[in-house]
Amino acid sequence: GAGVSQSPSNKVTEKGKDVELRCDPISGHTALYWYRQRLGQGLEFLIYFQGNSAPDKSGLPSDRFSAERTGESVSTLTIQRTQQEDSAVYLCASSLDYQTSSYEQYFGPGTRLTVT
Amino acid sequence: DQQVKQNSPSLSVQEGRISILNCDYTNSMFDYFLWYKKYPAEGPTFLISISSIKDKNEDGRFTVFLNKSAKHLSLHIVPSQPGDSAVYFCAASAYGQNFVFGPGTRLSVLP
Repeated sequence: GAGVSQSPSNKVTEKGKDVELRCDPISGHTALYWYRQRLGQGLEFLIYFQGNSAPDKSGLPSDRFSAERTGESVSTLTIQRTQQEDSAVYLCASSLDYQTSSYEQYFGPGTRLTVT
Repeated sequence: DQQVKQNSPSLSVQEGRISILNCDYTNSMFDYFLWYKKYPAEGPTFLISISSIKDKNEDGRFTVFLNKSAKHLSLHIVPSQPGDSAVYFCAASAYGQNFVFGPGTRLSVLP
């Protein structure tokens, strides 16, 4: 079956430009997460959507970062006025529902963002 | 401050031997723990999980042990295989929300 997909797989942008990253979760998954992984570091939580509840934005590093999700479908992560320190792999994950007994997250392949 | 720590950035093990990956956490509210495996250029894949009501969970060659009093968990892989070579992430959650990941341990299984 279809897993989590992300696009683009690679993005090179100039410092100061805006970028938009897309995540298509597994159909029926109500929870969606964005993470980033900088080179040589672990996964850093960014934002979490659960159904129609207000998203948990506690991990967003600055107001240049924002994310949207319409219902239980596609999510977009937008980074405005990109900086070199934004260079990382951005990973999206989805899971069925945090209230179920299994909290297993299914990850997409990631988008590698390089800011020059 | 790191709420989830994996103090060994790398580990090398001979094929057929046991691999033990360790993870420590600081937040006593964490009640669910997961291990993920990540190959280069791929997203992490779920490996095994454990709830705080248990102290052990086993799935084939993989066993996770949880010591709540020490706020420590470990992943045992036995016997280790070359295909197990990957980066292993420990993750923790309180009530299934806001997962916190450790920095990862790179496991190399030598043939």
